[in-house]
Amino acid sequence: GQQVMQIPQYQHVQEGEDFTTYCNSSTTLSNIQWYKQRPGGHPVFLIQLVKSGEVKKQKRLTFQFGEAKKNSSLHITATQTTDVGTYFCAGPGGSEKLVFGKGTKLTVNP
Amino acid sequence: NAGVTQTPKFQVLKTGQSMTLQCAQDMNHNSMYWYRQDPGMGLRLIYYSASEGTTDKGEVPNGYNVSRLNKREFSLRLESAAPSQTSVYFCATRDSLSSGNTIYFGEGSWLTVV
Repeated sequence: GQQVMQIPQYQHVQEGEDFTTYCNSSTTLSNIQWYKQRPGGHPVFLIQLVKSGEVKKQKRLTFQFGEAKKNSSLHITATQTTDVGTYFCAGPGGSEKLVFGKGTKLTVNP
Repeated sequence: NAGVTQTPKFQVLKTGQSMTLQCAQDMNHNSMYWYRQDPGMGLRLIYYSASEGTTDKGEVPNGYNVSRLNKREFSLRLESAAPSQTSVYFCATRDSLSSGNTIYFGEGSWLTVV
């Protein structure tokens, strides 16, 4: 079935460093979504990408959708302690389902 | 506007006990989901309901049952809890009739089976 692979599983950075997490699908995706989960919290929707090659920005966060619509990335410029959490990508899994990657847990050393 | 409300937030069960996790939404969404989250495993779909009156198995349905009581409510039942079911459970909803795919999560239920 549909699989969404996400790397790395963990990333520790110094505050001010950049961070990137990557998401790869075994099949072409109609869209991809990104969620953020703060420690002890629940996943919260960040963004959805739909078009091939699409790039969207939210302040220091840059989201990209690959040309083949099988991969995506989230890049954070100059991380801050408020960026701490786990970032998930998710793609349609058919029949109303959404398949999540296993997430990248980001820790930031102040 | 509460969004997605889950109860209880925390629960400790003994092996073999049963319990029901309740979920209610006031967003008028058609689709509802139950996920479990374990360290290193991400979010795994247990069951989902595309609309009132329908339910379907997800990735890890064994040991669980669900009921879509009405459009607002989707409950998850553990008939005979096992330590392997110790996890954080998230209920979620989606407006399947709109063009968006955003999933909205409840705050989670922390379940420990001893």
